[in-house]
Amino acid sequence: AQTVTQSQPEMSVQEAETVTLSCTYDTSESDYYLFWYKQPPSRQMILVIRQEAYKQQNATENRFSVNFQKAAKSFSLKISDSQLGDAAMYFCAYSPTGNQFYFGTGTSLTVIP
Amino acid sequence: GAVVSQHPSRVICKSGTSVKIECRSLDFQATTMFWYRQFPKQSLMLMATSNEGSKATYEQGVEKDKFLINHASLTLSTLTVTSAHPEDSSFYICSASKGGWYGYTFGSGTRLTVV
Repeated sequence: AQTVTQSQPEMSVQEAETVTLSCTYDTSESDYYLFWYKQPPSRQMILVIRQEAYKQQNATENRFSVNFQKAAKSFSLKISDSQLGDAAMYFCAYSPTGNQFYFGTGTSLTVIP
Repeated sequence: GAVVSQHPSRVICKSGTSVKIECRSLDFQATTMFWYRQFPKQSLMLMATSNEGSKATYEQGVEKDKFLINHASLTLSTLTVTSAHPEDSSFYICSASKGGWYGYTFGSGTRLTVV
């Protein structure tokens, strides 16, 4: 069974600063996909960034980047130049196919003005 | 593109009754849809995979007779919570896939309260 662990239930960051959210996962597969999703109070799930396991290069989307360590089964999210709108619950997710997802327990991010 | 509509957004039902939640892909045909459940301040848990024209595949521990899934067309999947009880109260979210490596989109969710 796949498990996704987010060890930080809550994190806070000063506006304009950088924060890193941690995620580890467990799988016996060699090919899979990893995602970070953001869930604001509206509860709408918003894709932040995704990474294919076969790609060694870390994915980057504007202020969001990941540190993918396949051997360590680690997939952390770095948010640079944090903005007030980044405040939300962040979920790390594992997918064997890129479609169905197994989510971590989430990290609640607070951005301090 | 890739818009998923979920209806209703909120529903309150009496214990023992059944309630149906709809998930529609508005601008694409979804070969596969997924249903998730989220308890307050908790993660999303995959309940089942809904395939158009075939039976749904349920995750371990999910009662298929309680959570009936019907994917009758390429744009609509429904989740029916049968004989609802207060412990079924939760936030239910669907997602739809175009197939292949195109990723997918989540619906806006349905808050079910069973009283």
